[in-house]
Amino acid sequence: NAGVTQTPKFQVLKTGQSMTLQCAQDMNHNSMYWYRQDPGMGLRLIYYSASEGTTDKGEVPNGYNVSRLNKREFSLRLESAAPSQTSVYFCASILYAGDEAEQYFGPGTRLTVT
Amino acid sequence: AQSVTQLGSHVSVSEGALVLLRCNYSSSVPPYLFWYVQYPNQGLQLLLKYTTGATLVKGINGFEAEFKKSETSFHLTKPSAHMSDAAEYFCAVEDTGTASKLTFGTGTRLQVTL
Repeated sequence: NAGVTQTPKFQVLKTGQSMTLQCAQDMNHNSMYWYRQDPGMGLRLIYYSASEGTTDKGEVPNGYNVSRLNKREFSLRLESAAPSQTSVYFCASILYAGDEAEQYFGPGTRLTVT
Repeated sequence: AQSVTQLGSHVSVSEGALVLLRCNYSSSVPPYLFWYVQYPNQGLQLLLKYTTGATLVKGINGFEAEFKKSETSFHLTKPSAHMSDAAEYFCAVEDTGTASKLTFGTGTRLQVTL
């Protein structure tokens, strides 16, 4: 049981380049999330997927697209990277058990856009 | 919209001293509340959570937090700080009326000195 995995761990892009961040979970969770973390701003939700086949915008969706490929995988795409997208990106999945809810986070992808 | 305020972006304590990290939230419905810890260059790890039931919640590594509805607070405490507690701590709130989206505070970096 690997939990939530993310690839790549590090990436440097030039302005205007595109890339896809991959996320996978092996815990059979329905809901998956993408956050970005910037100094002094905590984590902000980019997009989420409540279940396979559905996606919704979070707080900061501009410049990103997502794809929930199947129950396990939730990818984040930057079509034309900008320096403002330099950040650390975290994928998460959620487990519900009755009234309990817990999110599991991946190790993060550190992205620099020059 | 819900929000989370963490007072103090940096807190410094001596080893063995009390740790108190403050978190206040605003929510229109009774929320779920979480504290996460992040060590350098790592993802987020759940310390503890409040969903329903007992308002004093115990977590890992000797941390605990008390949900005070009248004060809309969920402060994190530990009686005696250890050097290994140095990390960044995030408070988060999940509005039980919405689709499982966590709103994070901006974080508090805890420094532990000898």
